[in-house]
Amino acid sequence: GNSVTQMEGPVTLSEEAFLTINCTYTATGYPSLFWYVQYPGEGLQLLLKATKADDKGSNKGFEATYRKETTSFHLEKGSVQVSDSAVYFCALGTNTGNQFYFGTGTSLTVIP
Amino acid sequence: DTAVSQTPKYLVTQMGNDKSIKCEQNLGHDTMYWYKQDSKKFLKIMFSYNNKELIINETVPNRFSPKSPDKAHLNLHINSLELGDSAVYFCASSGRRQPPYNEQFFGPGTRLTVL
Repeated sequence: GNSVTQMEGPVTLSEEAFLTINCTYTATGYPSLFWYVQYPGEGLQLLLKATKADDKGSNKGFEATYRKETTSFHLEKGSVQVSDSAVYFCALGTNTGNQFYFGTGTSLTVIP
Repeated sequence: DTAVSQTPKYLVTQMGNDKSIKCEQNLGHDTMYWYKQDSKKFLKIMFSYNNKELIINETVPNRFSPKSPDKAHLNLHINSLELGDSAVYFCASSGRRQPPYNEQFFGPGTRLTVL
């Protein structure tokens, strides 16, 4: 079956620290992979995505590479800011059947 | 331009009441969804409609009834509200014409509080 396993939080970092949030998946076929971000009191916004193996998604200084060999899509940022404090969701979308699977979310707090 | 909109943003009501949440998308997407997010931020899909037809109906109490009058609208009606229904409800849509076809576009959420 299809599923997403995401690093549990909460994660607390100091400003300018390096961020990694781990995400691994199981899937039949060739899914697309996504990271969504939810800022306090808001809905989910797409942060970045990758549609095939070895694709790198990037946005706002965040990056994630679709690794088929390790079935992973880890989120990284070299230097976090206070404004990055949010909940981050890894997600998988199948290319048939309109199925979409979210991880459990990782809460990130960045302190000055 | 708002892509996916929901009303109301906040809903406070008494146990036992019936309430509705409305959702509209102007993206021309074929598929719409309802998700429930609990206090721990866990997202659970409830329903999915494709071109007004129900395609996903997860284990949800039958007090919850979705209705899709056309493919741009998906409303959620909840009967006999219970304390455990308190959550944030998100509407989403998908239907890109190029990969990734099922990228989800979310509304701002409706925070339901049942007293």
